[in-house]
Amino acid sequence: AQSVSQHNHHVILSEAASLELGCNYSYGGTVNLFWYVQYPGQHLQLLLKYFSGDPLVKGIKGFEAEFIKSKFSFNLRKPSVQWSDTAEYFCAVNGPLTGGGNKLTFGTGTQLKVEL
Amino acid sequence: DAGVIQSPRHEVTEMGQEVTLRCKPISGHDYLFWYRQTMMRGLELLIYFNNNVPIDDSGMPEDRFSAKMPNASFSTLKIQPSEPRDSAVYFCASSLVGSDEQYFGPGTRLTVT
Repeated sequence: AQSVSQHNHHVILSEAASLELGCNYSYGGTVNLFWYVQYPGQHLQLLLKYFSGDPLVKGIKGFEAEFIKSKFSFNLRKPSVQWSDTAEYFCAVNGPLTGGGNKLTFGTGTQLKVEL
Repeated sequence: DAGVIQSPRHEVTEMGQEVTLRCKPISGHDYLFWYRQTMMRGLELLIYFNNNVPIDDSGMPEDRFSAKMPNASFSTLKIQPSEPRDSAVYFCASSLVGSDEQYFGPGTRLTVT
């Protein structure tokens, strides 16, 4: 079965620091990749997604992610974080091992806290 | 579009009572997913439907949980009888075939005392 690993469970940064959150998935074939964000008390919202094409994907609010097929990775980055980026971030994958249909396999999430 | 709609937003009930959570997916979406989120277990997929048919219910914790989708615009998740360990935020999401991107509702925060 498909699995997704987010190695950083809690990250604390100061404002203006650079961010990189790791995401690795278990299957190296054709996959669709997503990053979702959940602000405190809110529902999950899509940050960005990769289906094909340019492996560097740009999303909302200055976030980007790079798909590196050889490393089975899809790390999330932002050059300068803001206090408002405090949230939980989820990596998700859909592929042949996910279980069919539009089902996504989610990682366990990374809690990001940005301090002023 | 109004997005995925869930009701109620908050539910407080006593142990043993029946709880029904409701979801209206985005119009035209073919897939509907029910998730449960807790601090201990994170985000868990409970069940999902394709064209109103349950496809995978392997995530449903036990027989106390049941889900239905009588038509394309409505789904329910029922817990009977409810227990304190069912306290969680329950999310509904929908997606369009061929897209994979899931759109989440605002969630129902369930507290069972």
